[in-house]
Amino acid sequence: SQTIHQWPATLVQPVGSPLSLECTVEGTSNPNLYWYRQAAGRGLQLLFYSVGIGQISSEVPQNLSASRPQDRQFILSSKKLLLSDSGFYLCAWNGVPDTQYFGPGTRLTVL
Amino acid sequence: QKEVEQDPGPLSVPEGAIVSLNCTYSNSAFQYFMWYRQYSRKGPELLMYTYSSGNKEDGRFTAQVDKSSKYISLFIRDSQPSDSATYLCAMSANSGYSTLTFGKGTMLLVSP
Repeated sequence: SQTIHQWPATLVQPVGSPLSLECTVEGTSNPNLYWYRQAAGRGLQLLFYSVGIGQISSEVPQNLSASRPQDRQFILSSKKLLLSDSGFYLCAWNGVPDTQYFGPGTRLTVL
Repeated sequence: QKEVEQDPGPLSVPEGAIVSLNCTYSNSAFQYFMWYRQYSRKGPELLMYTYSSGNKEDGRFTAQVDKSSKYISLFIRDSQPSDSATYLCAMSANSGYSTLTFGKGTMLLVSP
């Protein structure tokens, strides 16, 4: 069966510090992968998606970036965090039926 | 007009009640419709997946799509305190790689 992992589960970072969030998927190959941010009252915001290794599409211009170094690994990064980067970050992949399945999420607080 | 509208709630009901959750949308190209359930501080989990118009039932849950009215519903029968969560509707125009458009979610509280 397919499983999606995210870590860390919780993160508290100072403004201006770097960020690296990791997502890995097990039990499937060549999945489409997605990064979302969920902020209170704002719903789910698609940040990046990837259809393959090294292929990243950005949905929202910001100080975040994403990379896909391996087929089942998706990384969200920032060089300098802003207060507005706080939120719940979700990784997702597409499975059967053909829709998106979410990981457990990372709660990021920027102070 | 937002693409997908969903009442944020909270919707408070007693245990055993029938719950109706709804979304309206404006894009007539949407033909795949989903409901996700999200418990506090957890990732959303897929609850129901439907294609085009009609009803789909799974246990206590029924998803209903009315494309002519651009309106989708999720009914929960015999609601339980464990159903307390935020329910997100989502939809897309295409299968395969798909960008989903989400509602902001309705918070449901079922009291024992």
